[in-house]
Amino acid sequence: AQSVSQHNHHVILSEAASLELGCNYSYGGTVNLFWYVQYPGQHLQLLLKYFSGDPLVKGIKGFEAEFIKSKFSFNLRKPSVQWSDTAEYFCAVKKSSGTYKYIFGTGTRLKVLA
Amino acid sequence: GAVVSQHPSWVICKSGTSVKIECRSLDFQATTMFWYRQFPKQSLMLMATSNEGSKATYEQGVEKDKFLINHASLTLSTLTVTSAHPEDSSFYICSARDQGGTAYEQYFGPGTRLTVT
Repeated sequence: AQSVSQHNHHVILSEAASLELGCNYSYGGTVNLFWYVQYPGQHLQLLLKYFSGDPLVKGIKGFEAEFIKSKFSFNLRKPSVQWSDTAEYFCAVKKSSGTYKYIFGTGTRLKVLA
Repeated sequence: GAVVSQHPSWVICKSGTSVKIECRSLDFQATTMFWYRQFPKQSLMLMATSNEGSKATYEQGVEKDKFLINHASLTLSTLTVTSAHPEDSSFYICSARDQGGTAYEQYFGPGTRLTVT
């Protein structure tokens, strides 16, 4: 069965530190990839998405992610985090055809210390 | 941008009663909507896919008679939790796919927190 793994469950960083959150998926076919953020008490917001083309995707709020097909990975990065980035981050994968369903990873809870 | 609303945002009900949650796409048409359940500190688990004008498709292990889904229009899907029990307490989130969109992106509602006492 298709699955998505986020290995970092909790991450604590100081402001200005660099961030990298891992996301790996198990499906071998063509996929669409997403990162969502959920701020405390708020709904899911799309950070960025990959459908095709340049594997380095830039999103909102200074986030970027790199799709490495050979590693089945789509890691999220930010060079310098801010206190306001404290939130939960979810990676999601969708088969590029045949379904609209998303499979979500377990999420990574990021806490940024001021 | 595309906006999805949910109503109510939170609800408390007594065990044995039924609760209806609405999911609306406000500025786009959605032939397909999705219902997720999120337990505290856990990920979103897809419960079912709601299709306008037809029966919902439930994920394995989800009781279709307990979680009734109706998608009567292109902008509204409802989830009814029947005979609710405390273990049904959870955060329910819907999402909608913009049928006019180009990238099969889902837009998420703010969620509904259900507490069954």
